[in-house]
Amino acid sequence: AQSVTQLDSHVSVSEGTPVLLRCNYSSSYSPSLFWYVQHPNKGLQLLLKYTSAATLVKGINGFEAEFKKSETSFHLTKPSAHMSDAAEYFCVVSWGGGNKLTFGTGTQLKVEL
Amino acid sequence: EAGVAQSPRYKIIEKRQSVAFWCNPISGHATLYWYQQILGQGPKLLIQFQNNGVVDDSQLPKDRFSAERLKGVDSTLKIQPAKLEDSAVYLCASSQGLAESDTQYFGPGTRLTVL
Repeated sequence: AQSVTQLDSHVSVSEGTPVLLRCNYSSSYSPSLFWYVQHPNKGLQLLLKYTSAATLVKGINGFEAEFKKSETSFHLTKPSAHMSDAAEYFCVVSWGGGNKLTFGTGTQLKVEL
Repeated sequence: EAGVAQSPRYKIIEKRQSVAFWCNPISGHATLYWYQQILGQGPKLLIQFQNNGVVDDSQLPKDRFSAERLKGVDSTLKIQPAKLEDSAVYLCASSQGLAESDTQYFGPGTRLTVL
């Protein structure tokens, strides 16, 4: 079975400092991986996705993630946090064809002044 | 482009009552999904439609949950009778198709509280 593990349930950073949200995946074959963001009272929004093309994936709002097969990781980074980045972030894997998503448990990002 | 619409946004019911949620996907999207998001967890897929046919309902508790997409556009998800553990946010999503490259777009969700 395919799954993702988000290593931190909460991350707190200061505005202007780098963001690192960690995700490891478990998959018996090369997966498709995604990061989604969920702002309070808003729908989930796709940040970026990896579908076996370039291993460094750039997304919206300055976020990027690197697929590392040897480490089975897909960590999300941003060079400089902004207050508007405060939200919950989900690492997601797609498995078995048919565009079915399995979500991690989420990382709540807090950005402080 | 209009997004995925869901109603109601909030619903409070007593246990053993029934409830229905409605979803209108993005125009032209053939694939529609219902997810359940329990507080503190990631969303879990309940059912997936392709046009008006069910692709996967393996995670749907069929003794109490049902869903339909009769004309291949709007969809309804029903719970009858509701249990306390059904308290969650119910998310609807849609995509152009079943390929992994087809992005899923999510609605704002319906927050259900069962008392």
